[in-house]
Amino acid sequence: DAGVIQSPRHEVTEMGQEVTLRCKPISGHNSLFWYRQTMMRGLELLIYFNNNVPIDDSGMPEDRFSAKMPNASFSTLKIQPSEPRDSAVYFCASSLMGNYEQYFGPGTRLTVT
Amino acid sequence: ILNVEQSPQSLHVQEGDSTNFTCSFPSSNFYALHWYRWETAKSPEALFVMTLNGDEKKKGRISATLNTKEGYSYLYIKGSQPEDSATYLCAFTSGGYQKVTFGIGTKLQVIP
Repeated sequence: DAGVIQSPRHEVTEMGQEVTLRCKPISGHNSLFWYRQTMMRGLELLIYFNNNVPIDDSGMPEDRFSAKMPNASFSTLKIQPSEPRDSAVYFCASSLMGNYEQYFGPGTRLTVT
Repeated sequence: ILNVEQSPQSLHVQEGDSTNFTCSFPSSNFYALHWYRWETAKSPEALFVMTLNGDEKKKGRISATLNTKEGYSYLYIKGSQPEDSATYLCAFTSGGYQKVTFGIGTKLQVIP
């Protein structure tokens, strides 16, 4: 298996632009998680999905952030409009329902100037 | 807000030394406790998942224990090697929906 796939690996954009991060979970996994890593706050859970349904989005910072999972093999995290404070590494992870072990993707390093 | 605390935040040990770190978490509504190993410029990798009070898990020179009643877990590394250098993350799952809260991590540096 190729593992969790994220794209792009690096994104540099200007303040105010829309940013879309993509994730393909491991085939057969039913749960998908989006995390943000910053120096100050460590690894923060933004949102997670079970069977493509968002279960808890209380970690999403504000209305500028949105996430979708249209099918079992694809999810997006969108930031519109982006701000410099959104600069961070964004990780996607997936797991089997009922199996607690999460498998992380390589992350997307976002820089907003 | 669920508080997952790890100590120490960073640690330097000599090659061959044994070491341990602590993770404390809320003892109510416990579901699972995870340990992850995170090397620089890589992604976190799962080490252990523990669900029962008294659980002990072992993988090579690394082992972990769990006390859900008092809300703590220990991670032990026996005979540290330079390749053990990484940040070790503890994560707590509450309730039944796999909501995970991560600690800030313990950064281990093993000096050859």
